[in-house]
Amino acid sequence: EAQVTQNPRYLITVTGKKLTVTCSQNMNHEYMSWYRQDPGLGLRQIYYSMNVEVTDKGDVPEGYKVSRKEKRNFPLILESPSPNQTSLYFCASFPGGRADTQYFGPGTRLTVL
Amino acid sequence: TQLLEQSPQFLSIQEGENLTVYCNSSSVFSSLQWYRQEPGEGPVLLVTVVTGGEVKKLKRLTFQFGDARKDSSLHITAAQPGDTGLYLCAGELMAGAQKLVFGQGTRLTINP
Repeated sequence: EAQVTQNPRYLITVTGKKLTVTCSQNMNHEYMSWYRQDPGLGLRQIYYSMNVEVTDKGDVPEGYKVSRKEKRNFPLILESPSPNQTSLYFCASFPGGRADTQYFGPGTRLTVL
Repeated sequence: TQLLEQSPQFLSIQEGENLTVYCNSSSVFSSLQWYRQEPGEGPVLLVTVVTGGEVKKLKRLTFQFGDARKDSSLHITAAQPGDTGLYLCAGELMAGAQKLVFGQGTRLTINP
């Protein structure tokens, strides 16, 4: 079954404690993206990756890092989380050149105290 | 400022009524998508429209792309409680841009 998986699904942490949210896709897609979803703002892109070792900033990259060492994985790293990063995070993947066919993961709800 | 403005942001109506959700922008999009999102899940693609003036139907849902490719609408006929959810529009500013711009979403509640 084609899917995007994220872990963990729920996470409560404290300010400054480094965390990683993993994302994996089994569709051999070149492109992967991270979004955050906040009430009244819709989904905003944090980072995206066009292929292994190729990443670029989205609209709200501050406070986040990503890496793409393998095609299937695209982890999101928060080196020093702050309360304003409390949000619902989605990973997505799509084949090259077709951002209009994105597959989304189930989401990770992060709370930073 | 949102590049894509969705309205209304909240809508609660009775079963059987019709409704329209709008997605507007001052920018031109190469394609526009509508997603539906259930609680605890990621957005799921409903439809993609790519041609100005295009109309697509999905059972009781009708999607239209504006002639100038700056706006879109989602019309639901005879709404049912199963239509309840968050509806998101998203657009690709240019073909191959590799990213989508999302509207704020419309939270729709259909009351039995």
